[in-house]
Amino acid sequence: DADVTQTPRNRITKTGKRIMLECSQTKGHDRMYWYRQDPGLGLRLIYYSFDVKDINKGEISDGYSVSRQAQAKFSLSLESAIPNQTALYFCATSTSDLELSSYNEQFFGPGTRLTVL
Amino acid sequence: DQQVKQNSPSLSVQEGRISILNCDYTNSMFDYFLWYKKYPAEGPTFLISISSIKDKNEDGRFTVFLNKSAKHLSLHIVPSQPGDSAVYFCAASPLSGTSYGKLTFGQGTILTVHP
Repeated sequence: DADVTQTPRNRITKTGKRIMLECSQTKGHDRMYWYRQDPGLGLRLIYYSFDVKDINKGEISDGYSVSRQAQAKFSLSLESAIPNQTALYFCATSTSDLELSSYNEQFFGPGTRLTVL
Repeated sequence: DQQVKQNSPSLSVQEGRISILNCDYTNSMFDYFLWYKKYPAEGPTFLISISSIKDKNEDGRFTVFLNKSAKHLSLHIVPSQPGDSAVYFCAASPLSGTSYGKLTFGQGTILTVHP
């Protein structure tokens, strides 16, 4: 079973619609992230959360909002989608436990391909 | 301002030869560096990392080299295999301060290994 899951995997929507992308993880990590990937631009951070009560903007947060419903769940919303939000969206998790060898790594979900017409 | 740059959008290599992927960074606060590999329709997966106290880290066919004075790192894959064909992302992070835990990614390099 996948440790980080994202729903939906693909979504086509129209300009002005509200969209929610969901992310769930079973890794027990406290930190979660949302990125978007665009050709030639790599992965850019939208929002991140270091625990349930901590939400922070990334480098490209305009037009997006997030909700951390539980340690395992982190959702990304586009309140009014526009065509330049067409991209691949990835959720990622990491641990703040310094005892773990993986504490500097982020673990990614399979991604959501969003198309805004 | 792109703090992590991968200036080669693509690289084509023959099976069995060496693949060298390069990455440059500008932020001197970065002290941990990672390489991720991404196949189509999948999320990026961690490949190898290096901390700034080292200049080399090796894991099987993969070796990462770090030149701190030049703010440059490279990933060497020897020998290259067709299954290595993927997009490779370089990422960097500080290990302290308010940005600890955040990764800054490069644009990615598409590696194609021909049989």
